[in-house]
Amino acid sequence: EDQVTQSPEALRLQEGESSSLNCSYTVSGLRGLFWYRQDPGKGPEFLFTLYSAGEEKEKERLKATLTKKESFLHITAPKPEDSATYLCAGTLRGNEKLTFGTGTRLTIIP
Amino acid sequence: DVKVTQSSRYLVKRTGEKVFLECVQDMDHENMFWYRQDPGLGLRLIYFSYDVKMKEKGDIPEGYSVSREKKERFSLILESASTNQTSMYLCASSFQSYGYTFGSGTRLTVV
Repeated sequence: EDQVTQSPEALRLQEGESSSLNCSYTVSGLRGLFWYRQDPGKGPEFLFTLYSAGEEKEKERLKATLTKKESFLHITAPKPEDSATYLCAGTLRGNEKLTFGTGTRLTIIP
Repeated sequence: DVKVTQSSRYLVKRTGEKVFLECVQDMDHENMFWYRQDPGLGLRLIYFSYDVKMKEKGDIPEGYSVSREKKERFSLILESASTNQTSMYLCASSFQSYGYTFGSGTRLTVV
């Protein structure tokens, strides 16, 4: 069964304390790996798509990386406004559906 | 920017009512999706559509139906609402496997 698993479920960091969120997948024939940010009461907001192992993408304090079995979202020197739930999702080749993990709730303490 | 608009942010309905959730996208995307999101369970796919008048069941279609009469509009229908359908409902659209865009969500409470 195709699965996407995120860890940890929740993470509290001091402002400026860098860390990484993990997304492991057992989706055979992965076509794309997506990262989204979701604020409370809102829909997910697209961050990155990764398509092949070794690929990296960056946006401000966030960098996403992909290996053959997992993806990491690295957060460098986070600020309180980075507090949100971060969602990871995968798609299969020939299939447009997104399979989501349950997310990591990130809290940055000033 | 692609916009996906869901008609209501909050809805309260009674058990047994027929409920319509509307979603409209403005970028001519072929694919549209309905998800529900519950604490601890994440986003789960209810139904999706690759084209007008076309629909496919997702992972949890029971108790739901959909309608796609026009390319830009994808409606989710709860034929007879039940309390276990209280949830956040999210609509999304995409072009092939690129750029899935979500709406702001509809928080439905069934009492």
